[in-house]
Amino acid sequence: EAQVTQNPRYLITVTGKKLTVTCSQNMNHEYMSWYRQDPGLGLRQIYYSMNVEVTDKGDVPEGYKVSRKEKRNFPLILESPSPNQTSLYFCASRPQGIRNYEQYFGPGTRLTVT
Amino acid sequence: QQQVKQSPQSLIVQKGGISIINCAYENTAFDYFPWYQQFPGKGPALLIAIRPDVSEKKEGRFTISFNKSAKQFSLHIMDSQPGDSATYFCAASEGPGNTPLVFGKGTRLSVIA
Repeated sequence: EAQVTQNPRYLITVTGKKLTVTCSQNMNHEYMSWYRQDPGLGLRQIYYSMNVEVTDKGDVPEGYKVSRKEKRNFPLILESPSPNQTSLYFCASRPQGIRNYEQYFGPGTRLTVT
Repeated sequence: QQQVKQSPQSLIVQKGGISIINCAYENTAFDYFPWYQQFPGKGPALLIAIRPDVSEKKEGRFTISFNKSAKQFSLHIMDSQPGDSATYFCAASEGPGNTPLVFGKGTRLSVIA
């Protein structure tokens, strides 16, 4: 089954404690993204990657890091989480070419930073 | 700067009625206009998409209407059902390259019996 997986699904942590949210896709997609979803603000892109070792900032990159060492994996790293990073996070991937609007989203990670 | 403006923010429709969600854009380089549907506790999923060379696309009870001159597009859900209750996002893309999808802020639809 074609899918994007994320772990963990729920995470409660404290300010300043480094954390990583993993993301993996099995569709051989080059393009992967991270979004955060907040009430009234919709989906905002944090970082994206067009291929292995190629990453770029999205609209709200501050406080986040990513890496793309393998095509299938795109982890999101919060080096020093703060309460304003409490949010619902989605990883996504999409194919190249004319169907690149068909983005596949993971199930989400709900992060609470206290 | 919001590139895709979506309205309304929330919508309540009676079962069997028509749900209409509107989006407007400014960037004339946008070439694909997908709609995503998100159920509570799930990630968004592609619902239907249109390219600007057609004015309408229908898939079952879901129809996209596209007005290129007005730079507007809308989603119509005919015979709305309680199972359609979800958040809907319009989006836009600049074609088959690697530019990010631009999303509207979403519309929370509630269909009541």
